[in-house]
Amino acid sequence: GENVEQHPSTLSVQEGDSAVIKCTYSDSASNYFPWYKQELGKRPQLIIDIRSNVGEKKDQRIAVTLNKTAKHFSLHITETQPEDSAVYFCAASPPLTSGTYKYIFGTGTRLKVLA
Amino acid sequence: DTGVSQDPRHKITKRGQNVTFRCDPISEHNRLYWYRQTLGQGPEFLTYFQNEAQLEKSRLLSDRFSAERPKGSFSTLEIQRTEQGDSAMYLCASSYIGNTIYFGEGSWLTVV
Repeated sequence: GENVEQHPSTLSVQEGDSAVIKCTYSDSASNYFPWYKQELGKRPQLIIDIRSNVGEKKDQRIAVTLNKTAKHFSLHITETQPEDSAVYFCAASPPLTSGTYKYIFGTGTRLKVLA
Repeated sequence: DTGVSQDPRHKITKRGQNVTFRCDPISEHNRLYWYRQTLGQGPEFLTYFQNEAQLEKSRLLSDRFSAERPKGSFSTLEIQRTEQGDSAMYLCASSYIGNTIYFGEGSWLTVV
């Protein structure tokens, strides 16, 4: 079945450094890749997303890159701040025309930004 | 706040009891999803509605679980004869056109 692998499971960086989280998906038909940030006890919140017709997308300190051939995508956070500390989840979604709308989530990366 | 709202936020129940969770999606969203999340894991898809029609169900959704969305607005998720393995956070999400889904704060279930 569909699967999304996410690495690393935990990541500690010094404040101001960059953080990179990587995901690999199995379903080549997937064409939408959101990233969610979840703080303890809170809802997952969408922070950035990318569609398969785009190779890179940037929003201030956050960027996502997609390699369709290799079926992997990455989240890059630059100039990390303590408030970036949270669990980050990647997900893959099939095209709307497939008739299914479920996201397949990775297992999450716990990011700790050390002050 | 016009986000997805869920009720109750926390529920502790004894094994064997039934529980029901309610989700109110963002008002113009026609698609509604239920996910389950356990500690240290990503959300797992349970079921999906488009308007009032339940179009997809995960095999995770055993016959003890039932979800409804009677008028295409709010939805309920009922778990009958709860088991300790049902302890998790149950997340509701909604979307309109396109893929992007927005989650509610979740309903934490603890089965003792």
